[in-house]
Amino acid sequence: GQQLNQSPQSMFIQEGEDVSMNCTSSSIFNTWLWYKQDPGEGPVLLIALYKAGELTSNGRLTAQFGITRKDSFLDISASIPSDVGIYFCAGRGTGGGADGLTFGKGTHLIIQP
Amino acid sequence: GAVVSQHPSWVICKSGTSVKIECRSLDFQATTMFWYRQFPKQSLMLMATSNEGSKATYEQGVEKDKFLINHASLTLSTLTVTSAHPEDSSFYICSSREGHYNSPLHFGNGTRLTVT
Repeated sequence: GQQLNQSPQSMFIQEGEDVSMNCTSSSIFNTWLWYKQDPGEGPVLLIALYKAGELTSNGRLTAQFGITRKDSFLDISASIPSDVGIYFCAGRGTGGGADGLTFGKGTHLIIQP
Repeated sequence: GAVVSQHPSWVICKSGTSVKIECRSLDFQATTMFWYRQFPKQSLMLMATSNEGSKATYEQGVEKDKFLINHASLTLSTLTVTSAHPEDSSFYICSSREGHYNSPLHFGNGTRLTVT
């Protein structure tokens, strides 16, 4: 089946720094979704991407659907303490589970004081 | 936007008892809902697809008699963990989508199950 490689696995940054994470696959995806999960909560949708090359922002977050349709990037500018959490990418292609999605393993974002 | 509500947020039960978790779509009708299990610091693992008015579809390796799913209405799916054991302790999450297949999934707030 399809697999997503999400990196980095974790990030330790200082408040105010910019953050960049990505997901790559050997398969083509038609949709890319980025979610954030706070401890003890369910994932919350941040950005949805539907077209190759699409660049979409949500406040300080910007995500891009790669031209090759095999990757996606999420950037966070000027990080703040509430950005701490786990960020998941999810792709929808011809494979995936019954929910139509293949999930990355997550990027744990930790902000050091 | 689409809201999915899950209840309870956490539950502690004794071994051998059963626990029911509810997942509701608050502002849309959901013919399909999905149930996941998540271990600490890991991604979501799809357990089953809940289909309104019909039997659930379980992923390989998930015991259907252990994890009973009922989707009796367009806004409610329930997951019952039967004869719970400590190894069933986990974070359970439901999701659904509003609209067509390509719409994003929206997740519930999750249920932390602890079996003692």
